[in-house]
Amino acid sequence: QSALTQPASVSGSPGQSITISCTGTSSDVGGYNYVSWYQQHPGKAPKLMIYDVSNRPSGVSNRFSGSKSGNTASLTISGLQAEDEADYYCSSYTSSTTPVFGGGTKLTVL
Amino acid sequence: QITLKESGPTLVKPTQTLTLTCTFSGFSLSTSGVGVGWIRQPPGKALEWLALIYWDDDKRYSPSLKSRLTITKDTSKNQVVLTMTNMDPVDTATYYCALHHLLNYNFDSWGQGTLVTVSS
Repeated sequence: QSALTQPASVSGSPGQSITISCTGTSSDVGGYNYVSWYQQHPGKAPKLMIYDVSNRPSGVSNRFSGSKSGNTASLTISGLQAEDEADYYCSSYTSSTTPVFGGGTKLTVL
Repeated sequence: QITLKESGPTLVKPTQTLTLTCTFSGFSLSTSGVGVGWIRQPPGKALEWLALIYWDDDKRYSPSLKSRLTITKDTSKNQVVLTMTNMDPVDTATYYCALHHLLNYNFDSWGQGTLVTVSS
């Protein structure tokens, strides 16, 4: 199973919105509504931000939202804040009944 | 409160076997739908899923590493153990364990991670 494809980096100014894409295949992202997103600050463990494509765990800001179209899932962060600067990873269930992660995206807040 | 903590050697030599233990609290690995997974991250690189074990002892392994991995659980001790054989310098990474929910297929709580360096 190959890693899901994410852009290496994205950037935005405070207050703006950004979107991070996560492209897979019909055997993972496109085939199931089990896409999750994780935020990782330097030196820290990942934190679940979105699950089941678009659901937010308790305590996660509603500035974070998720969606999916075909084989591509997306994470949108609105009202960008300095604290959002981090690495973001997507993950999906696969037809092999195993998970797969994306290559990660570094978000820079300008 | 859910906590997970990884423990094991910080340095292993090439060809040796790595044994990591995940000790957790705040949930039971005998609860239906619950699993514990291992994920690693080489320095400066992406997350890579390694293995999963479920409440019913069902196990899943990364296809690329399956021949080298074994995951087991001790429900009474609230521990999950991962062994990886024939370690190589490319296996140098921070190894995380995480709580997995089969229903939503996510890892919603993570340990702090432990850095394992493979070097002679």
